[in-house]
Amino acid sequence: SSELTQDPAVSVALGQTVRITCQGDSLRNHDASWYQQKPGQAPVVVIYGNNKRPSGIPDRISGSSSGNTASLTITGAQAEDEADYYCNARDNSGYQFVFGTGTKVTVL
Amino acid sequence: EVQLVQSGTEVKRPGESLKISCKASGYSFASYWIGWVRQMPGRGLEWMGLIFPGDSDTRYNPSFQGHVTISADKSITTAYLQWRSLKASDTAMYYCARRDTSGWYYFDQWGQGTLLTVSS
Repeated sequence: SSELTQDPAVSVALGQTVRITCQGDSLRNHDASWYQQKPGQAPVVVIYGNNKRPSGIPDRISGSSSGNTASLTITGAQAEDEADYYCNARDNSGYQFVFGTGTKVTVL
Repeated sequence: EVQLVQSGTEVKRPGESLKISCKASGYSFASYWIGWVRQMPGRGLEWMGLIFPGDSDTRYNPSFQGHVTISADKSITTAYLQWRSLKASDTAMYYCARRDTSGWYYFDQWGQGTLLTVSS
């Protein structure tokens, strides 16, 4: 199965911009989704189809993808954006899913 | 309103069996894939597998195949995750999640999670 690799942790000053990346071979052929998980809570999808936002997700959160890398960008980070973020995509077979290793975002 | 409501916290001993549930409501249960996700204490999300309740087509992460069984009962709109013999390493939070059917591959609704502790 495929692997999706993320940086373990990043920090961002309040109001500044942070980008999280997710790397994996399967991303060349399959779109990525991103999930936000706050302590003690279930994950919530914030981006799907590489760059689409579900209703209710603020537009400061955006996604993109190029080659084997998917990215999540938070523009003007707020305190409530502090969370763990996981990417997800199908693996090379197309029949399985795989989660990224996760990135902890700290808002300073 | 779409809801996935999971069964409650479980405390089990190694070697015991267990079946946890995910009760769906607010949508056509048979028409959406349901997945299961493990999160071990302090660790990341791991995709375990998913089932299409309409025909019980099931896909497993090879890492979990043979140790867990995923099933669904359309008549009561409930999906299940089952173990025949638990290990201490099964201690984790388990989430069920619905896969969207719009043509995009993502999980749009999640259950609240079931916490499982396996300890002697």
